Amino acid sequence: NAGVTQTPKFRILKIGQSMTLQCTQDMNHNYMYWYRQDPGMGLKLIYYSVGAGITDKGEVPNGYNVSRSTTEDFPLRLELAAPSQTSVYFCASSLTRDSRLGNQPQHFGDGTRLSIL
Amino acid sequence: SQELEQSPQSLIVQEGKNLTINCTSSKTLYGLYWYKQKYGEGLIFLMMLQKGGEEKSHEKITAKLDEKKQQSSLHITASQPSHAGIYLCGARGGSQGNLIFGKGTKLSVKP
Repeated sequence: NAGVTQTPKFRILKIGQSMTLQCTQDMNHNYMYWYRQDPGMGLKLIYYSVGAGITDKGEVPNGYNVSRSTTEDFPLRLELAAPSQTSVYFCASSLTRDSRLGNQPQHFGDGTRLSIL
Repeated sequence: SQELEQSPQSLIVQEGKNLTINCTSSKTLYGLYWYKQKYGEGLIFLMMLQKGGEEKSHEKITAKLDEKKQQSSLHITASQPSHAGIYLCGARGGSQGNLIFGKGTKLSVKP
């Protein structure tokens, strides 16, 4: 089982460049999330999606954009890379949102390590 | 907003020793998740606790949820080098369905 696949695994960008971080899942999950992880800071939510065609901002959305044209894919776009966006980015998916009757764990990809120089 | 505090921040134990990691929430917990992360890898789901008093075990790892104390503990028995990594607790923090995470506990196991 592939689960959640992220590409690339590593990338170095120059300030002002743009790039797309790819995320795809093969579990037919409705919910997908993008987090960034900074040293000693835990994970923070950037954007999320509850299904194809629906996206919304998380805690730290500035400087990023997302799209969800299919259930499987949830790419994250950086338009004008800034040093503050140096981080490890994780994509995650879950079948449903939590409910009292059935919590669902989030499944994570292996991450993309991005450096902006 | 809800916050999760993990203790200790880091831990070095001798192989074979037992250890406990705690996760304390600033608000009522409606489910608590434990993940493990190794460098260069993603988060691996370990266990999910949904009800106060619930306890789950997987191999040598046991997790408990104390809703009244807004706290969860992760206990490893007879630690092995394969247990080394960063342990993160997560809880549902908002209407988006996303998880909020503690900052993690870094575990090193000395052979």
